Amino acid sequence: GENVEQHPSTLSVQEGDSAVIKCTYSDSASNYFPWYKQELGKRPQLIIDIRSNVGEKKDQRIAVTLNKTAKHFSLHITETQPEDSAVYFCAASIGAGGTSYGKLTFGQGTILTVHP
Amino acid sequence: NAGVTQTPKFRILKIGQSMTLQCTQDMNHNYMYWYRQDPGMGLKLIYYSVGAGITDKGEVPNGYNVSRSTTEDFPLRLELAAPSQTSVYFCASSYSTDAGSFYEQYFGPGTRLTVT
Repeated sequence: GENVEQHPSTLSVQEGDSAVIKCTYSDSASNYFPWYKQELGKRPQLIIDIRSNVGEKKDQRIAVTLNKTAKHFSLHITETQPEDSAVYFCAASIGAGGTSYGKLTFGQGTILTVHP
Repeated sequence: NAGVTQTPKFRILKIGQSMTLQCTQDMNHNYMYWYRQDPGMGLKLIYYSVGAGITDKGEVPNGYNVSRSTTEDFPLRLELAAPSQTSVYFCASSYSTDAGSFYEQYFGPGTRLTVT
């Protein structure tokens, strides 16, 4: 089955700096890559996602890049703010077609701390 | 819309006891999932369902059972609780078509379960 590795496990930055979190996946059939943000004691919430037919996607201060050949994708947060502090999870899926049923395989998470 | 709701929020079980975690969604989503999240770890898929009457095992199904009699409800049953089942349980739902589309998974608020 799919295996997703996420690095680093913790990341500490100063407010205004950029943060980058990287994930690698093992199944070349995976074609949907969401990123979730989870604040302490809360549910995971989708912040951005990318399909395999796109190399990069941006949404204000957040961007995701995908390298299908190398089987890795990254989350980029620019101009970080203290409210960006949370645990970030990457995930991979083969999508809803066939027998995959949209199942997500998650990375282990990255604890991001943004210091004022 | 309430989205995805879960009950209870917290529960303490003794070893060997049983319980059912409730999950309901009001978004008319066809796909539903149960994940567990151990401390400092990512989410692992326990069971999933692609529609009423159709369920299948995920990555970590041992010790759990599910049923899906309606589109809205997807309860998770723990039989003979063990300390290894101490975790936070998240239910999620999404809408998908057979055409291999990708849609966001919406998560419930979680149930924090302790088995002692």
